[in-house]
Amino acid sequence: EAGVAQSPRYKIIEKRQSVAFWCNPISGHATLYWYQQILGQGPKLLIQFQNNGVVDDSQLPKDRFSAERLKGVDSTLKIQPAKLEDSAVYLCASSKTGGTVTYNEQFFGPGTRLTVL
Amino acid sequence: DQQVKQNSPSLSVQEGRISILNCDYTNSMFDYFLWYKKYPAEGPTFLISISSIKDKNEDGRFTVFLNKSAKHLSLHIVPSQPGDSAVYFCAVPEAGGTSYGKLTFGQGTILTVHP
Repeated sequence: EAGVAQSPRYKIIEKRQSVAFWCNPISGHATLYWYQQILGQGPKLLIQFQNNGVVDDSQLPKDRFSAERLKGVDSTLKIQPAKLEDSAVYLCASSKTGGTVTYNEQFFGPGTRLTVL
Repeated sequence: DQQVKQNSPSLSVQEGRISILNCDYTNSMFDYFLWYKKYPAEGPTFLISISSIKDKNEDGRFTVFLNKSAKHLSLHIVPSQPGDSAVYFCAVPEAGGTSYGKLTFGQGTILTVHP
């Protein structure tokens, strides 16, 4: 079974530029997450999709960040314009969506390391 | 306000000895706890979990202990191996509706196992 794919793996941009990240979840996984991991911290959720609908985007800085999941499969996360504090690893994860009260393991991609200069 | 805390940024142990990684949480309503392991340039991978109805869960060399009264969990690795060198995160899934969603992570502990 193929894992979660992300691209690019690394990106360096100047502040105020825009950048986009792409994620392809595990086939059949209805739920997709984008996390931001700043150096020395744990990952923090930015946005959660179930199929192509947003479940939670309360921590997404909507003035500069946007995300979409067209057709309920692939997803893109965009930053426009980027700030220095956006330097981080952006992790995509996916999971099955259970119909019972249970935890569905999240599988993470390798991440995209963004450096904003 | 950080709901999940790992107060030790790093831990160094000798190969063959025990590694103990600690995690504290604030919300007594949490009912499921996870440990993830992360190697450089890779995403976190699930390691072991424990439900709040248990106080211990074991999987090979890895054992997680839960102390609900102290709101504390720990991960024991015995014996430690150099390949265990990684960042370890404790995490809690948030419950909502009929399933669990986002993970709230601790800050992570860097484990280094010396040969």
